[in-house]
Amino acid sequence: DTGVSQNPRHKITKRGQNVTFRCDPISEHNRLYWYRQTLGQGPEFLTYFQNEAQLEKSRLLSDRFSAERPKGSFSTLEIQRTEQGDSAMYLCASSPALTSTYEQYFGPGTRLTVT
Amino acid sequence: TQLLEQSPQFLSIQEGENLTVYCNSSSVFSSLQWYRQEPGEGPVLLVTVVTGGEVKKLKRLTFQFGDARKDSSLHITAAQPGDTGLYLCAGPDSGTYKYIFGTGTRLKVLA
Repeated sequence: DTGVSQNPRHKITKRGQNVTFRCDPISEHNRLYWYRQTLGQGPEFLTYFQNEAQLEKSRLLSDRFSAERPKGSFSTLEIQRTEQGDSAMYLCASSPALTSTYEQYFGPGTRLTVT
Repeated sequence: TQLLEQSPQFLSIQEGENLTVYCNSSSVFSSLQWYRQEPGEGPVLLVTVVTGGEVKKLKRLTFQFGDARKDSSLHITAAQPGDTGLYLCAGPDSGTYKYIFGTGTRLKVLA
């Protein structure tokens, strides 16, 4: 069990550029979550996958955001036409299939800075 | 969407002191989790509480779930500098697949 990994750890981009982040969950965890966290705040839910199906999306996830989990393993989060307000930590978490309590196991996050 | 409010927002104490952090909601949660997060890292799961009135202990940390499953508390005995971090309560949003985090309590323990 190697834990949840995220790449890259840091991304600096210019406003208007597209960025893509990758999340590799703990193997055999079929639940995968994406969150956004700004300084001093708790994580905000963005989206949820159960296997390859995206079952929930927050209204925070505007049309510029898209997430995929094509084979039910790793996931990507893409932000198109980045804005300065997108600067935040993007966290990925996975959760085992058989738990009814939804504990989350988090990756280290990707810190995005939009200049 | 259910909300989780934490208090206090910030807490700065001396090593050896005791403290309690509160997590409150107007809604019932089927379970609540507590996490600790350090700067630049993802949250780390500390405990899950499921049953109303449940008390769980993790070394010097004591977690309690309210009888009505609308609130929870975290009590730290004899705090140490290593306890410094952002403490977050969280739980599944009823009727959706969302997972809701509290507003967070930032704790600093001074040596």
